[in-house]
Amino acid sequence: DAKTTQPPSMDCAEGRAANLPCNHSTISGNEYVYWYRQIHSQGPQYIIHGLKNNETNEMASLIITEDRKSSTLILPHATLRDTAVYYCIVRVASNTGKLIFGQGTTLQVKP
Amino acid sequence: DTAVSQTPKYLVTQMGNDKSIKCEQNLGHDTMYWYKQDSKKFLKIMFSYNNKELIINETVPNRFSPKSPDKAHLNLHINSLELGDSAVYFCASSHAPGTGSYEQYFGPGTRLTVT
Repeated sequence: DAKTTQPPSMDCAEGRAANLPCNHSTISGNEYVYWYRQIHSQGPQYIIHGLKNNETNEMASLIITEDRKSSTLILPHATLRDTAVYYCIVRVASNTGKLIFGQGTTLQVKP
Repeated sequence: DTAVSQTPKYLVTQMGNDKSIKCEQNLGHDTMYWYKQDSKKFLKIMFSYNNKELIINETVPNRFSPKSPDKAHLNLHINSLELGDSAVYFCASSHAPGTGSYEQYFGPGTRLTVT
């Protein structure tokens, strides 16, 4: 699975959009981009995933560049409860299901 | 209803003891996993079972033995506990790999402290 690079930390004002970047320049054509988050002391939580097209669900939007070498997770209206570590993971759909977590981005939402 | 549950939530024990952590999921998933999160917060997969069959076995000491009595349960037994085993252990479940999108759902974690 391709490696990902994320900034170690980011701040965001409450109510504003949080844009979390991820670089995955070695991504292969059959690898999906997944985002998870871990709120302090809780288990990781699935957010969203995508292959080529941009995706949106009730939690967030995922924007994948045309060359697929990077992506951005967007939390449209961040709240204090969105403070967490956000992990960007790339994975082949047909593999064993193993998730390789990096260091992620610690997002601090401030009032 | 809790989707993925683990017991116990906290476990404090002495070196050399044997302990088990239990995991149950009510999502109807075929695949279950154990992850370990160490003190530096790195999350790493340990094992995965698909339909009671072991499919992932990372480089884990053989003191760790997973057991899956059925698709809904995956227990982790640890023999001869060592100080370095202190960590938070997360159980997760998903649909079988290769069946399309198979996001993983995680349990709340078991914090193991070995003294």
